[in-house]
Amino acid sequence: NAGVTQTPKFRVLKTGQSMTLLCAQDMNHEYMYWYRQDPGMGLRLIHYSVGEGTTAKGEVPDGYNVSRLKKQNFLLGLESAAPSQTSVYFCASSQPGQGSDNEQFFGPGTRLTVL
Amino acid sequence: DAKTTQPPSMDCAEGRAANLPCNHSTISGNEYVYWYRQIHSQGPQYIIHGLKNNETNEMASLIITEDRKSSTLILPHATLRDTAVYYCIVANSGNTPLVFGKGTRLSVIA
Repeated sequence: NAGVTQTPKFRVLKTGQSMTLLCAQDMNHEYMYWYRQDPGMGLRLIHYSVGEGTTAKGEVPDGYNVSRLKKQNFLLGLESAAPSQTSVYFCASSQPGQGSDNEQFFGPGTRLTVL
Repeated sequence: DAKTTQPPSMDCAEGRAANLPCNHSTISGNEYVYWYRQIHSQGPQYIIHGLKNNETNEMASLIITEDRKSSTLILPHATLRDTAVYYCIVANSGNTPLVFGKGTRLSVIA
């Protein structure tokens, strides 16, 4: 199993450009999450999904949109990138109620720089 | 969700036990204590979790006080590869997204 994968690994955008980050998991997990991590800080939740076709806002949702059209994929979109969105983005998935309950499995991250 | 308080940094000699404390004085009865760690530039990794009993797995031990207001993560024989930021998180089991604080930066020294 590949676990949680993220595409791309690195990206540089200019202010105002748009892009989509892709997260894929092959563990058949119901829940998926997008976090961002700024230097020296902990992770902050952007959006999450508790199942295919559902999404919910997290702590810092402004400037982002998400979609969960397929169970295995969770997309994070930036419609008009701003320098404040320069960060490392982590995707995670979990299967509540199975094994370690709320254990989340994280991807390797996407490093985004907005100039 | 209850908030946690952790020291910003700790050092530990290689081969010795690393004891990482966490205060969670406002934890509610149905909230678990989770520990994750993040090795430089990687995604966080689950370590262990518990409700009120002490827990042990192949990575670490978790000691939760009887009043559940604090806990300690123990890495019994720290190695250089254990150098990481360790996050203590309290959350309901299953349905609540995790809230990460700044964690404790553990440096294991040779």
